[in-house]
Order: sequence, then C-alpha cells, then structure tokens
Amino acid sequence: AQSVTQLGSHVSVSEGALVLLRCNYSSSVPPYLFWYVQYPNQGLQLLLKYTSAATLVKGINGFEAEFKKSETSFHLTKPSAHMSDAAEYFCAVSYYRDDKIIFGKGTRLHILP
Amino acid sequence: DVKVTQSSRYLVKRTGEKVFLECVQDMDHENMFWYRQDPGLGLRLIYFSYDVKMKEKGDIPEGYSVSREKKERFSLILESASTNQTSMYLCASSQMTGRNEQYFGPGTRLTVT
Repeated sequence: AQSVTQLGSHVSVSEGALVLLRCNYSSSVPPYLFWYVQYPNQGLQLLLKYTSAATLVKGINGFEAEFKKSETSFHLTKPSAHMSDAAEYFCAVSYYRDDKIIFGKGTRLHILP
Repeated sequence: DVKVTQSSRYLVKRTGEKVFLECVQDMDHENMFWYRQDPGLGLRLIYFSYDVKMKEKGDIPEGYSVSREKKERFSLILESASTNQTSMYLCASSQMTGRNEQYFGPGTRLTVT
C-alpha cells in the first residue's frame, strides 16, 4: 500500500535561511509525487510535481524538490526563506492507474524574523 | 485557470440537521473529491466520483453521502450532523489518472453545535 511520511509536523527557520521539508514515500510501482502549500483559511495549491521526467523539479515561489529513488524521498527545499513562506506544506503520492492521491499529514513551516 | 468553488466558506449548523456542501469546477474534470481536514490528521478522503452518477467510498465515508448529477457539480451531504463532524471540508477536482494534480476549492469550515 502506498503511504507518505513527512518528518516534523512543525519546522521553524529564520528568514533568509535554507528551507528543507522532508518527505518519504512507499510505493511498489513508480510514483507520481506532489508538494502542495496551504495558506491560512485557504485550499491547497500545487507547488510542484514529479511525473518521471527530470528528477529535480522546480516549482513556484522558488521551491524545488529532488526525486531520489534509492532513498524513496522527495524533499522540498528553498535556498532563502521569506516571511510569506509561512504556511502548511503537504507531500502527496499517486501512481498511473489510480485517480486518488495519498497525502502526508503536513508540515507547518514557521519563519522567524 | 482552473477554478473550484465551494458554496460556503463558513457554516454553523445544529446537531441533527441535514447539511449540504456544494462544489463546482469549471474545467470539465472527470474526477471530483471531498476531503475533511483536521489538525494533526492531514487530509482524509471521504468520497470521490470519477464520472456523473458514479461514486466511490474513501477512507471515512460513515455519516456522509454524495451526489453527482452533473459533471461540474459534486455535493457532500451530512444526513444528520453531529459535533464530531465539525471540521474543514475541502473539495478538489482532477483529470483522470494519477499523474494529474488535484485542484482545490477554498474550503468550508463547518461547525456543528
């Protein structure tokens, strides 16, 4: 069965510091992987997705993620945090024959001034 | 741009009331989904629909039903609202197959008193 694990329900970084949000997946078949962001009192918005093309995926707002099959990971990074990045981030996995997406429990990112 | 709209942002209902949450998408997507989101539990799938009049139970269907009479509209029904159904409800839509991301509405925060 597919699953997604996000390490850390809360992560705090200083403004200007590196953002690293961790995501590991389990899947018996090649996965499709997604990162979503949710700002307060809003729905989820797609940041980026991996669909078996380039392993390094660039998304919106300066975020990127790297698919590492050997580590079954899809960590999200941003070189320099901004106050506007404070939000909740969800990693998710799916695969070709399934219309459903499995979401992780989310990581709330706090930006310290 | 894909747009998913939900009928209410905030809703307050009494225990035992029948509650209708409406969702409309404007991109001719085949799939539509209802989730509930609770702190620490992430997103949990209630029901999804892959075609008009077709539906499939998700992880937590108890106490809920759905209706999809038209392709663009997917309704979630709480037959007899209970306090443990107080939550954020998110609707999403997508094209078929797992490589396609889901597009989310802004959410409905339902409080049952």
